[in-house]
Amino acid sequence: EAGVTQSPTHLIKTRGQQATLRCSPISGHTSVYWYQQALGLGLQFLLWYDEGEERNRGNFPPRFSGRQFPNYSSELNVNALELEDSALYLCASSLVGSGSYEQYFGPGTRLTVT
Amino acid sequence: GDSVTQMEGPVTLSEEAFLTINCTYTATGYPSLFWYVQYPGEGLQLLLKATKADDKGSNKGFEATYRKETTSFHLEKGSVQVSDSAVYFCALSVPGSSNTGKLIFGQGTTLQVKP
Repeated sequence: EAGVTQSPTHLIKTRGQQATLRCSPISGHTSVYWYQQALGLGLQFLLWYDEGEERNRGNFPPRFSGRQFPNYSSELNVNALELEDSALYLCASSLVGSGSYEQYFGPGTRLTVT
Repeated sequence: GDSVTQMEGPVTLSEEAFLTINCTYTATGYPSLFWYVQYPGEGLQLLLKATKADDKGSNKGFEATYRKETTSFHLEKGSVQVSDSAVYFCALSVPGSSNTGKLIFGQGTTLQVKP
């Protein structure tokens, strides 16, 4: 069974540009989650999508947004990039988003903002 | 609010030594508890989980018991190997709360095992 996949592996952008990160969940999983792992800040929850709807959001500005498609894959968009957006962005998926179901993570997209 | 506190690292052990990584939590409801492991340059892998008090999660020789009375979920392994060198994250999720769906992580503990 294929795991969670993310693309691209690495992304280099300039301050002020937009970045788009993509995630495909494990087959059969309907919930997708996004996390940011920045140096010194640990793992921070960004967004949760389930059945195409945004269900919960972390303490990030509105320039972090995303969506979930009918096939349950997801996109994370970061507008007006800032240097501090440089981080590893991890996507996870689960069967349902009740909180009791474990989340399975992809390998991440390393975003570098210069 | 909901939070997780892990012991400070790095932890350096010799091969075959006993491992304990402490994890305590604060939660407003009834959390599910998880341990994840991150190997260098990779994403997170679920190591084990427990969903209610006194549950013991186990996997690959690692164990952790959900202790409600001490709000703890310490990770243990009887004999570590060099291949266990990684960063270990304790996490919780609280269904039915404002934090529904999200994993709240501790700061991570780096384990280095020397041959």
